Amino acid sequence: ETGVTQTPRHLVMGMTNKKSLKCEQHLGHNAMYWYKQSAKKPLELMFVYSLEERVENNSVPSRFSPECPNSSHLFLHLHTLQPEDSALYLCASSQGQGAYSDTQYFGPGTRLTVL
Amino acid sequence: QKEVEQNSGPLSVPEGAIASLNCTYSDRGSQSFFWYRQYSGKSPELIMFIYSNGDKEDGRFTAQLNKASQYVSLLIRDSQPSDSATYLCAVTIQGAQKLVFGQGTRLTINP
Repeated sequence: ETGVTQTPRHLVMGMTNKKSLKCEQHLGHNAMYWYKQSAKKPLELMFVYSLEERVENNSVPSRFSPECPNSSHLFLHLHTLQPEDSALYLCASSQGQGAYSDTQYFGPGTRLTVL
Repeated sequence: QKEVEQNSGPLSVPEGAIASLNCTYSDRGSQSFFWYRQYSGKSPELIMFIYSNGDKEDGRFTAQLNKASQYVSLLIRDSQPSDSATYLCAVTIQGAQKLVFGQGTRLTINP
């Protein structure tokens, strides 16, 4: 496996379900990110982890709970979601050591549908 | 004022012509500028980044940065139908691990 991978690629869940999204990066990067992409809206940054510590929580509702057990893995735990949470969830990683290493590389995304 | 602004398009360009995509940003402290391409249903992929004023060329792509005017653009020469996608402009502040994206410009290259 190379680059940034995400599983599952598609997820349909009810509002009372609990599910988790997984992201893994094989680039040796130190920072990982979760983004939300809704139709006709800019990419929205949700969370940033640097060296396994959360450095940014962009006013995301508590029904989204991130976890970063190590620098290669990132999870997004979902519970009691709303239909408006349906979107493409993208994971990205970067070297995270300064301006010249701020380039972020994206995974393929998880298409989430909340019924 | 939005932090990063792009014309959402759609922008239609005939095959073989030059496509010009524009982006303005509000934060004068922005140091790094990126162009991503996103095909429908796919994730963004990096095309180019630029840090210094002026032009940076990579194959058919040229990024242009003017920090005084807070303006960054992407030119695509000899446009191909495979260039049809949404192009996302993103900026970051030096040392900050946060990219701010524009809403993207949808580009269509007509054969």
